[in-house]
Amino acid sequence: AQRVTQPEKLLSVFKGAPVELKCNYSYSGSPELFWYVQYSRQRLQLLLRHISRESIKGFTADLNKGETSFHLKKPFAQEEDSAMYYCALRAMNRDDKIIFGKGTRLHILP
Amino acid sequence: DGGITQSPKYLFRKEGQNVTLSCEQNLNHDAMYWYRQDPGQGLRLIYYSQIVNDFQKGDIAEGYSVSREKKESFPLTVTSAQKNPTAFYLCASSTKIGGTGELFFGEGSRLTVL
Repeated sequence: AQRVTQPEKLLSVFKGAPVELKCNYSYSGSPELFWYVQYSRQRLQLLLRHISRESIKGFTADLNKGETSFHLKKPFAQEEDSAMYYCALRAMNRDDKIIFGKGTRLHILP
Repeated sequence: DGGITQSPKYLFRKEGQNVTLSCEQNLNHDAMYWYRQDPGQGLRLIYYSQIVNDFQKGDIAEGYSVSREKKESFPLTVTSAQKNPTAFYLCASSTKIGGTGELFFGEGSRLTVL
């Protein structure tokens, strides 16, 4: 069965410091990984997907199949990055089932 | 205004009553999903559907039922068999199977069972 693990419930980082939100997954097939973000009083929305290999709002994430990880990184945190972040996995061999981790709340300290 | 609409936003029900949450999308998406969001639990998949008249159980389907009679609609019924129905429910949709996989979410429905 597939599983997504986000080990940190809460991560507090000072403004300007680097950010790393951890995500590990378990899946025997070919996965597609995503990061979603939920800002205060807004809908959950896609931040980035591993296939795109792009940087969104300064965030990047690299899929490491050897370590089964998809950590989200940003070199310099900004106050507007404070939000709830969810890692998600789409099971490409299992009719588009999409599951999420438990989420990490990122709190940027001034 | 394109998007996903969930209704009602807030719902209170007595124990033992069935409740139906509405989810409508005008994005012409094929796939639709229902998740339950609890503090500290993240989003857990209840049911999903890739095509009209077909749906699959997610990880926590017990006590829930769905239907997909129309492409734009995917209602969720929380039955009296669901042991802990009080929660925040999120509906989402995405393009056809094999598409980008991006989920578009509704604003959610908060159900409180008294």
